Amino acid sequence: QKEVEQDPGPLSVPEGAIVSLNCTYSNSAFQYFMWYRQYSRKGPELLMYTYSSGNKEDGRFTAQVDKSSKYISLFIRDSQPSDSATYLCAMKSNFGNEKLTFGTGTRLTIIP
Amino acid sequence: DAGVIQSPRHEVTEMGQEVTLRCKPISGHDYLFWYRQTMMRGLELLIYFNNNVPIDDSGMPEDRFSAKMPNASFSTLKIQPSEPRDSAVYFCASSLSRDPGADTQYFGPGTRLTVL
Repeated sequence: QKEVEQDPGPLSVPEGAIVSLNCTYSNSAFQYFMWYRQYSRKGPELLMYTYSSGNKEDGRFTAQVDKSSKYISLFIRDSQPSDSATYLCAMKSNFGNEKLTFGTGTRLTIIP
Repeated sequence: DAGVIQSPRHEVTEMGQEVTLRCKPISGHDYLFWYRQTMMRGLELLIYFNNNVPIDDSGMPEDRFSAKMPNASFSTLKIQPSEPRDSAVYFCASSLSRDPGADTQYFGPGTRLTVL
C-alpha cells in the first residue's frame, strides 16, 4: 500500500462547476499538507499548504485537512478552463525532514 | 530570479550510454531535490541535498544512478549505463529552510529523458 493514495482521474467538469480533489494517507506523522498544480510539460508549482487539521481558503481554492480520517481535499469554486492541469497532493512530517511524499496526481479538465 | 534551471530539456539516447542531467537551483536556496516522474509511479524523490551534502539517497533506484552537488549553484544526476526503463521526466527542485516544516519547493521545467 502506498503512503499517499490519489485518484488519478481523469476528471472532466464543465466551466463554473465546483471541483473536489482528494487524497488519503497512512502515515500519522504527516503534519504539513500541500497541493501542487502541474500544467502539461511543466514542473509542479505550489498552490496551497496547510499545517495539521483545518481549512485554508485562497480565492477560489479551499484546502481541507482531516487528520482523524487521514484525508485531505482541495476544492475549486467557479472552475475555469485555466484550471485544467494535474493536481498533486504532497505531505511531510514535522521532524525537520524536508522530504515530501507525493500522490500520483489527478488530471483535471475544465470544459468551456 | 530565473527560477530553477535544468538542462537539457530533452535527451534521447541509446541503451548503455551515459546520461548527465544538470540543475542550477534558485540562488540562496539551501535544499536541492532530484525527482523522477512517470505515469505509472508518479513523482518519486531520488535524492536530496542540504548545503551541498547528500542527506537522503534512499530513492536512488540502483548503483547506475549517482548525484553530485559540487557547489551551491550546481548539481548533476548521472545515469551510467542507461536503460529503457529509465525513460521519464526528471525534475530538480530547490527550497529555503526558513521554517523546517513549511518550506516551499520550487521545481524546474524538467528534463524529458528517452532511452531507446
